[in-house]
Amino acid sequence: GENVEQHPSTLSVQEGDSAVIKCTYSDSASNYFPWYKQELGKGPQLIIDIRSNVGEKKDQRIAVTLNKTAKHFSLHITETQPEDSAVYFCAAITQGGSEKLVFGKGTKLTVNP
Amino acid sequence: ETGVTQSPTHLIKTRGQQVTLRCSSQSGHNTVSWYQQALGQGPQFIFQYYREEENGRGNFPPRFSGLQFPNYSSELNVNALELDDSALYLCASSPGLVFADEQFFGPGTRLTVL
Repeated sequence: GENVEQHPSTLSVQEGDSAVIKCTYSDSASNYFPWYKQELGKGPQLIIDIRSNVGEKKDQRIAVTLNKTAKHFSLHITETQPEDSAVYFCAAITQGGSEKLVFGKGTKLTVNP
Repeated sequence: ETGVTQSPTHLIKTRGQQVTLRCSSQSGHNTVSWYQQALGQGPQFIFQYYREEENGRGNFPPRFSGLQFPNYSSELNVNALELDDSALYLCASSPGLVFADEQFFGPGTRLTVL
């Protein structure tokens, strides 16, 4: 079935360093790849997304890259701050059967001051 | 802060019981999706409603059912609760029909089945 794999499951960085989270997907028809940030006690919040017609998108300290041939996409956070600490989820729209959003298992990012 | 609210915040039920969870979407959002998030996992799609009709379903049994009302509120009903149903249940609203529209999540309802 449709699958999104996410690595690493935990990531600890020093404030100011960069963080990279990687995801792979199985459905070659996937065309939309959002990233969500989930803080404790809250629902996921969209932080950036990318569609299949572009290879990279940037929004201030956050960037996402997409390699459709290899079926993987990555989240890059530069100049990390303690408030970036949260669980991050990648997701992909899959077309098998009815369209739905499939999430990775999440990466717990800790930014140490 | 999104305009999506959910109630109750926490709920404890016993195996075999039935439960109803509620969601209030952002005004103007015709689509609501429900997700189950087990501890340490990503959200898993249960189903989606568009203008009061079910529009898609994930790999969940029929004892998971839903309703959507014209006033942007919706319900998730789960019958014959099982221990594995313990999870955070999230609803997400979006303005359009497609998943490529931004989904706005509520804070979730934490369900514990004993």
